[in-house]
Amino acid sequence: NAGVTQTPKFRVLKTGQSMTLLCAQDMNHEYMYWYRQDPGMGLRLIHYSVGEGTTAKGEVPDGYNVSRLKKQNFLLGLESAAPSQTSVYFCASSLTSGYTDTQYFGPGTRLTVL
Amino acid sequence: GENVEQHPSTLSVQEGDSAVIKCTYSDSASNYFPWYKQELGKGPQLIIDIRSNVGEKKDQRIAVTLNKTAKHFSLHITETQPEDSAVYFCAATLSGSARQLTFGSGTQLTVLP
Repeated sequence: NAGVTQTPKFRVLKTGQSMTLLCAQDMNHEYMYWYRQDPGMGLRLIHYSVGEGTTAKGEVPDGYNVSRLKKQNFLLGLESAAPSQTSVYFCASSLTSGYTDTQYFGPGTRLTVL
Repeated sequence: GENVEQHPSTLSVQEGDSAVIKCTYSDSASNYFPWYKQELGKGPQLIIDIRSNVGEKKDQRIAVTLNKTAKHFSLHITETQPEDSAVYFCAATLSGSARQLTFGSGTQLTVLP
């Protein structure tokens, strides 16, 4: 049981390039989330999904797109990277939004946009 | 939307002493308050959580208290150890909905040997 895994761990992009971050969970969780973490700002939600085939915007969705084609995977895309998207990105998953709310986090992806 | 304030931003304690981190939230509808510990280079890990129907919860050396009237909750760590050194985040949300966790800005706890 690997929990939540993220690929890649590190990435450097040039302004305008695109990339996709992959999140995978093997806990059969319905809900999945993408956060970004910036110094002194805690974690902010980018997008989330309440089930396969569904996505919704979080607090800071601009410049990002997501897809949830399979229950276990949640992809975060940057179509045209900007230096402001330099951050550490975390994926999380939870069983349900009901009584069990615990979100389990992956190890993160450190992205630098030059 | 929800807003969570966390204090202090840094905290240093001597090994064996207690540490207290405080958070306030703005949305009186929030009813689920988790605390996460993040070690260097790793993702946040849940250490304890509390729901609005209880005022206090304890798990060994860690406890969380909630004051719904004042809209604040606190993390208490007793008998601190060097391995408690990490960044701690509080969060708040409305349980039972698709609403996201709103995190505080974090507290860097350093336990001095």
